[in-house]
Amino acid sequence: NAGVMQNPRHLVRRRGQEARLRCSPMKGHSHVYWYRQLPEEGLKFMVYLQKENIIDESGMPKERFSAEFPKEGPSILRIQQVVRGDSAAYFCASSQGREDTQYFGPGTRLTVL
Amino acid sequence: GEDVEQSLFLSVREGDSSVINCTYTDSSSTYLYWYKQEPGAGLQLLTYIFSNMDMKQDQRLTVLLNKKDKHLSLRIADTQTGDSAIYFCAAALSGNTGKLIFGQGTTLQVKP
Repeated sequence: NAGVMQNPRHLVRRRGQEARLRCSPMKGHSHVYWYRQLPEEGLKFMVYLQKENIIDESGMPKERFSAEFPKEGPSILRIQQVVRGDSAAYFCASSQGREDTQYFGPGTRLTVL
Repeated sequence: GEDVEQSLFLSVREGDSSVINCTYTDSSSTYLYWYKQEPGAGLQLLTYIFSNMDMKQDQRLTVLLNKKDKHLSLRIADTQTGDSAIYFCAAALSGNTGKLIFGQGTTLQVKP
């Protein structure tokens, strides 16, 4: 029973490039959350999605960041025109229901040069 | 908004008990979670407690919740070197979208 899958595990981008982070939830889970962890800090909520819907994006930066969870395929977190301050670990979590326990993936560590 | 606070560092000797503390501000928190993060890894769910409980035990782990003081603790009995990691407390708010509010994490160092 596979857990939450994220890829890539490590991603290096130059300033101005685009970063695409993928998350496949656990089997049977239709709720996906994205969190960001800056160095030496806790996790900060970014966005919560269900299939084809963004439910809560109150933690997303207003510009350059977007997320989707299509009917088929993984959830994608996209960061356009990356800057050095975007360097962080990005974690995806999934749950069966809206307020159910969240299980986390291994994270994608983004480094912006 | 909700705020979750943890002490940053705890050092214990192997075989001793560890107690990691957490405070939160929003009394409407429904579930409170403990996650463990090893270096370079994701978050592993350790245990959780519902807000109408005051204690939960799971093998070497004991969670205590003082709802009046909004204080949560995680006790690890017979701490082993493999328990060395960062421990995060997280709160889920009632009527929310289910997003978790995390503390900044407590680094547990276990000395042989």
